[in-house]
Amino acid sequence: SAVISQKPSRDICQRGTSLTIQCQVDSQVTMMFWYRQQPGQSLTLIATANQGSEATYESGFVIDKFPISRPNLTFSTLTVSNMSPEDSSIYLCSVWLSGTGTYEQFFGPGTRLTVL
Amino acid sequence: RKEVEQDPGPFNVPEGATVAFNCTYSNSASQSFFWYRQDCRKEPKLLMSVYSSGNEDGRFTAQLNRASQYISLLIRDSKLSDSATYLCVVNGAGNMLTFGGGTRLMVKP
Repeated sequence: SAVISQKPSRDICQRGTSLTIQCQVDSQVTMMFWYRQQPGQSLTLIATANQGSEATYESGFVIDKFPISRPNLTFSTLTVSNMSPEDSSIYLCSVWLSGTGTYEQFFGPGTRLTVL
Repeated sequence: RKEVEQDPGPFNVPEGATVAFNCTYSNSASQSFFWYRQDCRKEPKLLMSVYSSGNEDGRFTAQLNRASQYISLLIRDSKLSDSATYLCVVNGAGNMLTFGGGTRLMVKP
């Protein structure tokens, strides 16, 4: 199984500021995914981060609000820009890797963001 | 209509009970199907993949009905530790997963 770490694990931020979330994987992967899980909701895909190219954003998410970096095959960052209370959420990164006998998507532990 | 729909619950069951969760998906071109488990304040983790022929893993049985676009998860002999949210997940194009809203299970002593 993969080891995926995220920093920070949680943060409380003021509106109008920005926060950069880091995701580190212990294996080289082509694609990394960023999800958002709002309180009481399920996961929504924000974007797919490919090494060496621009991220691909899902409907409702734009690069200016959620810029993503993917400098190498084991690392990615997601920035939540010009935050508002509506951005309060858990942000998770994930990758596809071989698990125990199957190919599965592993998730990082998440970053819990509260915007005041 | 949501792409993946689940009854949010909660399902409150006694230990030892059998409980079944259902899920429907809208994209007939979906290729892969999964059940993930998410504990409170934790990330989702794969519980089991769902195969066309149906598959079983211990107390857990998953079924897929492509004609009806319907997936199920059956848990037998429920344990307290089964209490969690169960997410129905569908894989469409490009290895992108679409998550259902989750079904919350509470197993009581």
